[in-house]
Amino acid sequence: TQLLEQSPQFLSIQEGENLTVYCNSSSVFSSLQWYRQEPGEGPVLLVTVVTGGEVKKLKRLTFQFGDARKDSSLHITAAQPGDTGLYLCAGADNNNNDMRFGAGTRLTVKP
Amino acid sequence: GEEVAQTPKHLVRGEGQKAKLYCAPIKGHSYVFWYQQVLKNEFKFLISFQNENVFDETGMPKERFSAKCLPNSPCSLEIQATKLEDSAVYFCASRRTGAGELFFGEGSRLTVL
Repeated sequence: TQLLEQSPQFLSIQEGENLTVYCNSSSVFSSLQWYRQEPGEGPVLLVTVVTGGEVKKLKRLTFQFGDARKDSSLHITAAQPGDTGLYLCAGADNNNNDMRFGAGTRLTVKP
Repeated sequence: GEEVAQTPKHLVRGEGQKAKLYCAPIKGHSYVFWYQQVLKNEFKFLISFQNENVFDETGMPKERFSAKCLPNSPCSLEIQATKLEDSAVYFCASRRTGAGELFFGEGSRLTVL
């Protein structure tokens, strides 16, 4: 069973600040996904990374997959209150079947 | 349907009672997953299905939890003799193939008193 550790668990920042959250594991993943969950809703996919070292950008969000495909980071530039939510990483095993989630980083961006 | 539909949205049970939750995956999606979210954070995998077959049930507390995905019926997650620690939001997700994006329902909040 893969174990995904996310850090920090909680993060509260002011609008306009930059931040990075991390997702780490001792296991190798065939792919890794980042989701954002808002209150009262299910998680929604932000990005999927597949190749070691891959970097993907989604507006102010930059996602990186580690070279060894064991870890990932999410960097947000100039955070906005609308970025508030729970950010979850999820890893797929080599069969690309079951997704295991980390415990999440709860981000609060204050106006 | 075009989205994952979970019912009920809220369910309250006394300790020891049975609870049953339902999930209709997106039409055409072959894989269904159940997750338990406690305290608004930790997302615990329970079980996955490929069509009506159990794919992985390593996360299920088997002594009280059971799940089914039968043809032409919503999938279900049943908890016999609920305990206080079963209080959580239970999410169902589906996807078309064995890889790719998971589409989540809005969850069913179970409160055990």
